[in-house]
Amino acid sequence: EDKVVQSPLSLVVHEGDTVTLNCSYEVTNFRSLLWYKQEKKAPTFLFMLTSSGIEKKSGRLSSILDKKELFSILNITATQTGDSAVYLCAVEPLPATASKLTFGTGTRLQVTL
Amino acid sequence: EAGVAQSPRYKIIEKRQSVAFWCNPISGHATLYWYQQILGQGPKLLIQFQNNGVVDDSQLPKDRFSAERLKGVDSTLKIQPAKLEDSAVYLCASSPSLGLVLETQYFGPGTRLLVL
Repeated sequence: EDKVVQSPLSLVVHEGDTVTLNCSYEVTNFRSLLWYKQEKKAPTFLFMLTSSGIEKKSGRLSSILDKKELFSILNITATQTGDSAVYLCAVEPLPATASKLTFGTGTRLQVTL
Repeated sequence: EAGVAQSPRYKIIEKRQSVAFWCNPISGHATLYWYQQILGQGPKLLIQFQNNGVVDDSQLPKDRFSAERLKGVDSTLKIQPAKLEDSAVYLCASSPSLGLVLETQYFGPGTRLLVL
């Protein structure tokens, strides 16, 4: 059974801090790893990672995957209060007649003034 | 482009009652998913449709949960009878392809169900 473990479970930081969120996984026949941000209800897509060592970047957010050690990190620099959310990590296996995601429990990030 | 639509947004019922949720995926998306997200946990896949066929329903409690996607577009998820532990947010998601290329899932706003 595929498994995703995220850490820490929750985190409180001050605005301007840099945070690193961790995601480790076990999956049969890895296809991709995805990061989502969930503020109220609907998770919104952040990154999809398929290859080791290639950093994906979007503004202050970046993510990288290590397929050998089976983990990914999500970095947020210069955090803002709008970054407060639950960050979900998910893995997708092969074969993929359609995309079946297994999610972790998420990391709840709170950014304070 | 309109996103995934779900209704209702909130529902409160008593245990043993029935409830139904509706989802309209993004136009043209072949694959539709229903997830259950219990408070403090990540979403858990309940059922996955490809057009109007079921791809995976291995985690659907079939004694009380049912889902259909008759015309390959909208979908309904039903719980009958509901139990207290069914209290959760029910998320619908869709993705465009049949899994042949890497594409992400797009989530709807969810329906928050409270069973009393």
